[in-house]
Amino acid sequence: QLQLQESGPGLVKPSETLSLTCTVSDDSFSSSSYYWGWIRQPPGKGLEWIGHIYYSGSTYYNPSLQSRVTMSVDTSKNQFSLKLTSVTAADTAVYYCANLWVVENYFDSWGQGTLVTVSS
Amino acid sequence: EIVLTQSPATLSVSPGGRATLSCRASQSLSRSLAWYQQKPGQAPRLLIYGASTRATDTPARFSGSGSGTDFTLTISSLQSEDFAVYYCQQYNNRPPLTFGGGTKVE
Repeated sequence: QLQLQESGPGLVKPSETLSLTCTVSDDSFSSSSYYWGWIRQPPGKGLEWIGHIYYSGSTYYNPSLQSRVTMSVDTSKNQFSLKLTSVTAADTAVYYCANLWVVENYFDSWGQGTLVTVSS
Repeated sequence: EIVLTQSPATLSVSPGGRATLSCRASQSLSRSLAWYQQKPGQAPRLLIYGASTRATDTPARFSGSGSGTDFTLTISSLQSEDFAVYYCQQYNNRPPLTFGGGTKVE
């Protein structure tokens, strides 16, 4: 099973940009079978899909966040990244990275998650 | 956007008992529905995809059924490790991918 690991700052100031990276454990990162996705979960609440990206760079974003989200890939490092601009306290959440199958978009393997708090 | 409504919000079941969780979609999904289990402090774990196919390592006591707009996750004989929150997720209308609000099994 794939191993994924999120990394990035745990504290971001309001109006600034949240930046996270997910490292995938093996060379399956460039597989044509997978998308690579981000999901978040505010404390005590449910799950929200943020978006996902193909190894070639094609992206799919949640319309509710699309104006503030950018995802990218670095195939040389088996990594993909999330940037969320103009953050507010409402963006405080545990952020998970995960892989999705291209044919059926369910989330197969998940990272452990990283808590990002937006506060001054 | 497809809305998923899970019920009940909380389900109280005794160990060894049967748990039946519901997920209803605002429009037809065919069978494009997955179920996840989440324990406190942990990431969600895939249990079921394609409405009824168990993921690798999912015990046989978990079963999924349904198609269209009504889906069910059944845990036939609840074990102590099954007390958790369960989420459904649709991937028929992709994107946006959406999750239900969750059912807590206690």
